[in-house]
Amino acid sequence: EAGVTQFPSHSVIEKGQTVTLRCDPISGHDNLYWYRRVMGKEIKFLLHFVKESKQDESGMPNNRFLAERTGGTYSTLKVQPAELEDSGVYFCASSQDRAGFPSYNEQFFGPGTRLTVL
Amino acid sequence: AQSVTQLDSHVSVSEGTPVLLRCNYSSSYSPSLFWYVQHPNKGLQLLLKYTSAATLVKGINGFEAEFKKSETSFHLTKPSAHMSDAAEYFCVVSYSGGYQKVTFGTGTKLQVIP
Repeated sequence: EAGVTQFPSHSVIEKGQTVTLRCDPISGHDNLYWYRRVMGKEIKFLLHFVKESKQDESGMPNNRFLAERTGGTYSTLKVQPAELEDSGVYFCASSQDRAGFPSYNEQFFGPGTRLTVL
Repeated sequence: AQSVTQLDSHVSVSEGTPVLLRCNYSSSYSPSLFWYVQHPNKGLQLLLKYTSAATLVKGINGFEAEFKKSETSFHLTKPSAHMSDAAEYFCVVSYSGGYQKVTFGTGTKLQVIP
């Protein structure tokens, strides 16, 4: 079974440009998460989808970031316009929905997209 | 509120010697605790997890961790380091009060010296 995949693996853009990151979760996983690691800092939660709905987007840094999950399958994270401080590694994760014990569910992570904004 | 502190940003051990990666947590609720490992250019892989069952948890590749509530710790250990263990390790806390809101530690880079 394929794991979580992310595209692209690396992206280098200039300040002010737009970038779209894509995440394909494991088939059948309703939960999809985005995380970001800025260099030297911890991995931070951005948002959580349950199917196509945003369950929690409290970690989104500002309105330059837009996440979508149309149809409840893959997700995209768009940064427009990109700023220097957006550089980092963006991780996506997915998990099954095991009713009653959501915190026990293992999250499966993708390899991440390394974004560099010049 | 919940938080995780990984006490060492870098740990260096010789091959064949024990590994200890330290993690302390803070959680207002009954926590679930995880250790993930990230090898270069790879995604995060689950090593083991504690979910209020046995306090000593065994994971993959010979790793284990002990949940100590009195010390609010969840240290990761391995009796004998292998070169392939060189990676970055993350301690993660999740609380049962919501939809898997997880908090990551800052990571510990493990170096294994031949």
